[in-house]
Amino acid sequence: EVQLVESGGGLVKPGESLRLSCVASGFPFSNYIMNWVRQAPGKGLEWVSSISSSSGYIYYASSVKGRFTISRDNAKNSVYLQINSLRGEDTAVYYCARSGQRFDLWGQGTLVTVSS
Amino acid sequence: DIQMTQSPSSLSAFVGDRVTISCQASQDIGNYLNWYQQKPGKAPSLLIYGASNLQTGVPSRFSGSGSETDFTLTITGLQPEDFATYFCQQHHDLRELTFGGGTKVEIK
Repeated sequence: EVQLVESGGGLVKPGESLRLSCVASGFPFSNYIMNWVRQAPGKGLEWVSSISSSSGYIYYASSVKGRFTISRDNAKNSVYLQINSLRGEDTAVYYCARSGQRFDLWGQGTLVTVSS
Repeated sequence: DIQMTQSPSSLSAFVGDRVTISCQASQDIGNYLNWYQQKPGKAPSLLIYGASNLQTGVPSRFSGSGSETDFTLTITGLQPEDFATYFCQQHHDLRELTFGGGTKVEIK
């Protein structure tokens, strides 16, 4: 089955770190750009970061640059998002999404809640 | 950044109605525009790519049009399962992908 499965979310305190994971199956993972997109409760979608198929280029939204790090392991069909210095405004469902020219496959999301 | 402005932010419609949602880009993005549908508690799903191309498996009552800065998503003959939130997204600037704010389609 073609799918993306995220994990690693949870309740964390401000200032703490978290590492999100996304495992892909059913398609040639190493051929695709992978992305993280987040959605705060009751809000719209916000693109967070993209990583090319061979990790040759990496982009971040200005709102997360310097605190978030995206990486991938093609041997494990996985993409990761390291989130440091978490803030309340980082509270959101984080989706992993596959792309070429569009986000055509999404995971179910993992919820990150930042609260003291 | 390329700003994407959707209108309206919400609308009410009857089953069977024709619904149009607009998306305006802050600069020329050619046809690098995608549309997504999101139902409560679910991940978004791709409806339209390249401004007017229907994603495989998406019903033909959905259509997209436009280019440069002005785009439209049309649902012809709204069905009960179409009540959801719709987002546009530009991929002209790969360094900073952006979504519109969303349009919630509700039952009248």
